[in-house]
Amino acid sequence: EDKVVQSPLSLVVHEGDTVTLNCSYEVTNFRSLLWYKQEKKAPTFLFMLTSSGIEKKSGRLSSILDKKELFSILNITATQTGDSAVYLCAAARPGNTPLVFGKGTRLSVIA
Amino acid sequence: SAVISQKPSRDICQRGTSLTIQCQVDSQVTMMFWYRQQPGQSLTLIATANQGSEATYESGFVIDKFPISRPNLTFSTLTVSNMSPEDSSIYLCSVVRTGGGGDTQYFGPGTRLTVL
Repeated sequence: EDKVVQSPLSLVVHEGDTVTLNCSYEVTNFRSLLWYKQEKKAPTFLFMLTSSGIEKKSGRLSSILDKKELFSILNITATQTGDSAVYLCAAARPGNTPLVFGKGTRLSVIA
Repeated sequence: SAVISQKPSRDICQRGTSLTIQCQVDSQVTMMFWYRQQPGQSLTLIATANQGSEATYESGFVIDKFPISRPNLTFSTLTVSNMSPEDSSIYLCSVVRTGGGGDTQYFGPGTRLTVL
């Protein structure tokens, strides 16, 4: 059965800290890995990773994929209270199939 | 990206009633997905809505409880029937778009349902 596992499940940090969120996957015919940020209702897309070792970066967020070890990390540097959210990792398979989601990491950034 | 709208954005309903949630996409898509997210939980796929055929339901979800319509390639509805407080959740529709080297799944803004 395809699965995506995220760790930690929750995390509390202070503003300015750097955090690393982990995602491992076991997915048949894996195609890509996606990260989402969910604050209130709908997840918003952050990154899509298809190749190993190539870092994707957007501001203070960055992510990298290791297809040999079947995991990805999402880094957030100099965290701010606005980074507080649930971060979801999901694996994509070929074709028009839904993603396989992890349970998410709930990040709380306190001032 | 994809522009997806949902309505209602939220509703409070009485036990035993039904609510239909609408999802509109800005361009044609083959499949639309409906998810549920109960409080404190991750996303759970309810069903895949195919245009012109019956929806495909995931284990634990049945058509009588969650009937789905897909009249065209840009629109779908999900009905939550005979509601109970356990149905209180966020309901999200989603589509897959191909581009940038892979498939990206985008979500509508969600419908927050509270059942009393």
